[in-house]
Amino acid sequence: QVQLVQSGAEVKQPGASVKVSCKASGYTFTGYYIHWVRQAPGQGLEWMGWMYSKSGGTDSAQNFRGRITMTRDTSIGTAYMELSRLTSDDTALYYCVRAKCNDGRCYNFDYWGQGTLVTVSS
Amino acid sequence: DIQMTQSPSSLSASVGDRVTITCQANQDSGKYLNWYQQKPGQAPKLLIYAASNLETGVPSRFSGSGSGTDFTFTISSLQPEDFATYYCQQLRTFGQGTRLETK
Repeated sequence: QVQLVQSGAEVKQPGASVKVSCKASGYTFTGYYIHWVRQAPGQGLEWMGWMYSKSGGTDSAQNFRGRITMTRDTSIGTAYMELSRLTSDDTALYYCVRAKCNDGRCYNFDYWGQGTLVTVSS
Repeated sequence: DIQMTQSPSSLSASVGDRVTITCQANQDSGKYLNWYQQKPGQAPKLLIYAASNLETGVPSRFSGSGSGTDFTFTISSLQPEDFATYYCQQLRTFGQGTRLETK
């Protein structure tokens, strides 16, 4: 069965960076896009960016350009998201998400990781 | 940027009720509209994709319709396990969410 297992919770100081991992299993890793979505405490969902697992190509939301780096290691079926220059506003639950495609658009989020809580606090 | 307006933001209903949530885009979104359910402490779950397609394994009491700028999500007969928050999504943009509570 398809699973996305993320790394554990992190506590970071303002200005630091965080790197979250997302290990995929149960499907061909290079056949799908991985997106990252975050959710601040008690708030809604915010799309951050995507990575095509086969090529490593990425795109991100304007809000995160220059701060987000998405990479992958195809040999172990794992995607990574690194967010730099953290502030308290980055405190949130970060999800990696597998996307299936429809009509050439790959934004149908059919499997989600369990989420990684990142807390930014001095 | 596309903006999605989801309404209502909260809704009280009883088991057996028919429930409808709407999502409006500020520009033509074609049929690129998905609906998710999120329960407390859980990740969201895809229910409907491409406006009206039921995701595998999702009960048929859930349905979606619409195209362009106006979309509707319906639960035909509310079940106890359906009390949750629902989000629409158009590609990179999520709606604000609808919290469905018991009356």
